[in-house]
Amino acid sequence: GQSLEQPSEVTAVEGAIVQINCTYQTSGFYGLSWYQQHDGGAPTFLSYNALDGLEETGRFSSFLSRSDSYGYLLLQELQMKDSASYFCAVRDTGGFKTIFGAGTRLFVKA
Amino acid sequence: GAVVSQHPSRVICKSGTSVKIECRSLDFQATTMFWYRQFPKQSLMLMATSNEGSKATYEQGVEKDKFLINHASLTLSTLTVTSAHPEDSSFYICSAKARISTDTQYFGPGTRLTVL
Repeated sequence: GQSLEQPSEVTAVEGAIVQINCTYQTSGFYGLSWYQQHDGGAPTFLSYNALDGLEETGRFSSFLSRSDSYGYLLLQELQMKDSASYFCAVRDTGGFKTIFGAGTRLFVKA
Repeated sequence: GAVVSQHPSRVICKSGTSVKIECRSLDFQATTMFWYRQFPKQSLMLMATSNEGSKATYEQGVEKDKFLINHASLTLSTLTVTSAHPEDSSFYICSAKARISTDTQYFGPGTRLTVL
């Protein structure tokens, strides 16, 4: 089966850097994705790591270590609008379905 | 970028009635569409996967006779909640993939269903 663990909540101040960790257990692995979801809205795709290392996209970066079954999402220069839920997700054994973690609610304070 | 629409965005219905939710890929052909439900402050739970022209594959615990899915074309999938009950009240979200090999899913804006 598949399982993903991520913290339920993180609080940080504007301008700071925050890291949201995700550990996973999968019978097969086809990459780790990150999605952002604001309250009442749909998830939006942020990043995808298939190989080890850091992927940077503007203020957001995502890291993957396949040997540790671990990844993280790094948000820099936090803004109030970054307050949202962040989900890590992996593709299932067949590489077809995406399984989501429980999500991390990020609260950005002034 | 790829756009997925859902209609309606909100629906309130009486217990025992059926509700149809449409999911459309507006600027690409979706080989696969997924239907999720999400309860407040919880994760997205995959309900079913549908491929154009074939029967949907339902996740364990999801009643296929209650949640009817039709993927009639490469740009349209529908989810019908039959004989809705208050416990079916939830946020229903569809997503679409342009190709099986891609990891990127494009999500619709979601449909808030309230069953009275």
